[in-house]
Amino acid sequence: AAGVIQSPRHLIKEKRETATLKCYPIPRHDTVYWYQQGPGQDPQFLISFYEKMQSDKGSIPDRFSAQQFSDYHSELNMSSLELGDSALYFCASGGRGQGNTEAFFGQGTRLTVV
Amino acid sequence: AQSVTQPDIHITVSEGASLELRCNYSYGATPYLFWYVQSPGQGLQLLLKYFSGDTLVQGIKGFEAEFKRSQSSFNLRKPSVHWSDAAEYFCAVGALGDYKLSFGAGTTVTVRA
Repeated sequence: AAGVIQSPRHLIKEKRETATLKCYPIPRHDTVYWYQQGPGQDPQFLISFYEKMQSDKGSIPDRFSAQQFSDYHSELNMSSLELGDSALYFCASGGRGQGNTEAFFGQGTRLTVV
Repeated sequence: AQSVTQPDIHITVSEGASLELRCNYSYGATPYLFWYVQSPGQGLQLLLKYFSGDTLVQGIKGFEAEFKRSQSSFNLRKPSVHWSDAAEYFCAVGALGDYKLSFGAGTTVTVRA
């Protein structure tokens, strides 16, 4: 079965650079959630989309933005990168409606800012 | 506000011994509870979930969890651990159809031979 695909798997950037992370949800899933997991930390919710509209927002810095496209894939754009942005970024997808009771997580993108 | 507490940061268990990981939650509505496992550098894999019905739920890899509303707990158990169970385990709470989950801080499980 198809899973959530995230790219790239690993990314190394310098301070003040920009980074774009991509998430391709499971086919027919219309919701995408982004999480950030710092070293030794639990995943923290950043932002979510439903049907290409932002549905909820968590602790996402103003330097970050995200969107969901017509094919339901999502991109997380990160600017003016800081050392503290080094983390594992997860994307999860799910479907709204009855019977949809689980979010499926991707393998994550490990971002290292040097 | 919703929150999850995993009191044990690190547990060491012998291979073949039983394992129990504790999880306590705080949630204003009917909680939907999950246990995920994460191997080093890997993604989150769902072990099991609870929404309603039988309070003892079975998951993958021989894991089970019991929901106790009176104690606001959702503890994870495995009767006999294998070396491959060494990983980090996260308890999470959310709402049905809403995948904005609140995670606990995680419990690292080490399995000794």
